[in-house]
Amino acid sequence: SQKIEQNSEALNIQEGKTATLTCNYTNYSPAYLQWYRQDPGRGPVFLLLIRENEKEKRKERLKVTFDTTLKQSLFHITASQPADSATYLCALDNTNAGKSTFGDGTTLTVKP
Amino acid sequence: SAVISQKPSRDICQRGTSLTIQCQVDSQVTMMFWYRQQPGQSLTLIATANQGSEATYESGFVIDKFPISRPNLTFSTLTVSNMSPEDSSIYLCSVVGDRGQPQHFGDGTRLSIL
Repeated sequence: SQKIEQNSEALNIQEGKTATLTCNYTNYSPAYLQWYRQDPGRGPVFLLLIRENEKEKRKERLKVTFDTTLKQSLFHITASQPADSATYLCALDNTNAGKSTFGDGTTLTVKP
Repeated sequence: SAVISQKPSRDICQRGTSLTIQCQVDSQVTMMFWYRQQPGQSLTLIATANQGSEATYESGFVIDKFPISRPNLTFSTLTVSNMSPEDSSIYLCSVVGDRGQPQHFGDGTRLSIL
């Protein structure tokens, strides 16, 4: 069956360190993969999209990698700040139809 | 990116009643979707709202329970019918400008059923 797994429900790190979140999937061949941030009481906010033919993408302090052989994406936040504390969701589009399947999310807490 | 407004933002409803949630986008979009997010869980796709035709439902969701309308490219409604406490959830509207583009979400409707 198809499955999306994000590493540990919660990740706690110290301010200034790099946070690394993992998204593994099975029985998918995604056309692209997305990462979202969700704060309590708010809808998910799009961060980065990486396509199947791309290995890495960056945006400011954010970096995403996509390994279709390992069926894994890594999401990095460098020089983390307490304001980065939120739940991060990965999402796959298996059909290039616009709709996505979401992982359960990882809640990141950055401590000052 | 598109600005998505959902109404109401929250509601408390009685068992057996129905509620219609509205989703308004500030620009024309190709695709609109409705998701459900139960407390402490991730998002589950309910259906794709198709402009001018019947919505496409995911497994486990049916039109009688979740009727959806999409009369134009900027507006959609989701009705939660004959509500029970199990329907207590956050309902989220999302839009995609075109295939291969990311989704953008509204802030959701928090629904509690007594």
